[in-house]
Amino acid sequence: NAGVTQTPKFQVLKTGQSMTLQCAQDMNHNSMYWYRQDPGMGLRLIYYSASEGTTDKGEVPNGYNVSRLNKREFSLRLESAAPSQTSVYFCASRKGTTTNEKLFFGSGTQLSVL
Amino acid sequence: ILNVEQSPQSLHVQEGDSTNFTCSFPSSNFYALHWYRWETAKSPEALFVMTLNGDEKKKGRISATLNTKEGYSYLYIKGSQPEDSATYLCAFIRKTSYDKVIFGPGTSLSVIP
Repeated sequence: NAGVTQTPKFQVLKTGQSMTLQCAQDMNHNSMYWYRQDPGMGLRLIYYSASEGTTDKGEVPNGYNVSRLNKREFSLRLESAAPSQTSVYFCASRKGTTTNEKLFFGSGTQLSVL
Repeated sequence: ILNVEQSPQSLHVQEGDSTNFTCSFPSSNFYALHWYRWETAKSPEALFVMTLNGDEKKKGRISATLNTKEGYSYLYIKGSQPEDSATYLCAFIRKTSYDKVIFGPGTSLSVIP
């Protein structure tokens, strides 16, 4: 059982380049999330999707776009990368139907923007 | 409290010591609180999901309590071991947006052998 799979694991971009981070889950979860890891700030929510066809802004959405392609997949796009977007990005999912549901995380994507 | 706060930011304890840390969250509109353990170079893993005022959860040497009326949760580790070294994150969910999971900044625990 793969759980939550993120690709790529590492990426280096130049300022202004664009890229898409991919995330897929095989647990039939309704809700999916994108977080970024910032030193001293834990995980900050970028965007989330409560169900297929819906997306909502989190705490730090500026500079990002998302697509909930289907129930399994939730992608994060950087249209014009900036050095401030250098971070580790985590995708997560959860069942999304009751309160007693934990998040399951992917292994992370380490992104450097030069 | 408007955001999720955690204290202390970091903690160094000797092996065998017991320790505890705090997560503070808005007391109004409470829906659920999660605790996660995050080891270096790994992904966060859930420890507890807590939903009711007065909840107490236990997993081995780790336990947590919840006070939704005053907006805090405590995480306790009894007899800390080096393998307990990690960042401990709490995450808060509001009733008005129960799909939005917001994390606190975390408490970094180092257990010295």
